[in-house]
Amino acid sequence: AQRVTQPEKLLSVFKGAPVELKCNYSYSGSPELFWYVQYSRQRLQLLLRHISRESIKGFTADLNKGETSFHLKKPFAQEEDSAMYYCALAGTGNQFYFGTGTSLTVIP
Amino acid sequence: ETGVTQSPTHLIKTRGQQVTLRCSSQSGHNTVSWYQQALGQGPQFIFQYYREEENGRGNFPPRFSGLQFPNYSSELNVNALELDDSALYLCASSFRTGAAGETQYFGPGTRLLVL
Repeated sequence: AQRVTQPEKLLSVFKGAPVELKCNYSYSGSPELFWYVQYSRQRLQLLLRHISRESIKGFTADLNKGETSFHLKKPFAQEEDSAMYYCALAGTGNQFYFGTGTSLTVIP
Repeated sequence: ETGVTQSPTHLIKTRGQQVTLRCSSQSGHNTVSWYQQALGQGPQFIFQYYREEENGRGNFPPRFSGLQFPNYSSELNVNALELDDSALYLCASSFRTGAAGETQYFGPGTRLLVL
């Protein structure tokens, strides 16, 4: 079965502290993975995608096929990073799978 | 460049009724996907349309159907509404390149309440 799991519904960190949002996936092929973010009162938007290997707003995510993970990391959290984060997988048959999301709060 | 728009923003229906939700794609996009997002959950993929044909479907019953028009706008139709259909319905457009997993651009959603 194709699936994305985000084990943490809520995550709080202090400003300036490192942050890691966990994402695990289940997929038999070579996965195409994404992180989407939703800031307060805004629509869901792409943060980064695995294939581009970019760093967006200081966030990075590395695909670990052995652990089937795609954790999102940032070395120094900022208050403006407070948002809802969704990990997503492009599956077979043009299907798209989202995790349940992690709400990140950065404490000033 | 015009972003993805959805209408209406909110809707209240009663059980058993039918509903049509509308989506206008972002300019230049040829693919539309629809998602259902229940409270506290991530978006669940309903289906995708490309070149006016359904091009992928999630685990939703046939009473969820859709259309894509030549201008790439789209409709989501839900028949025989059930209480559990109450959710935020998201539309996302993208440009099909042939590679797996194009970036999707989301609309603001339509919040449906079924009483």
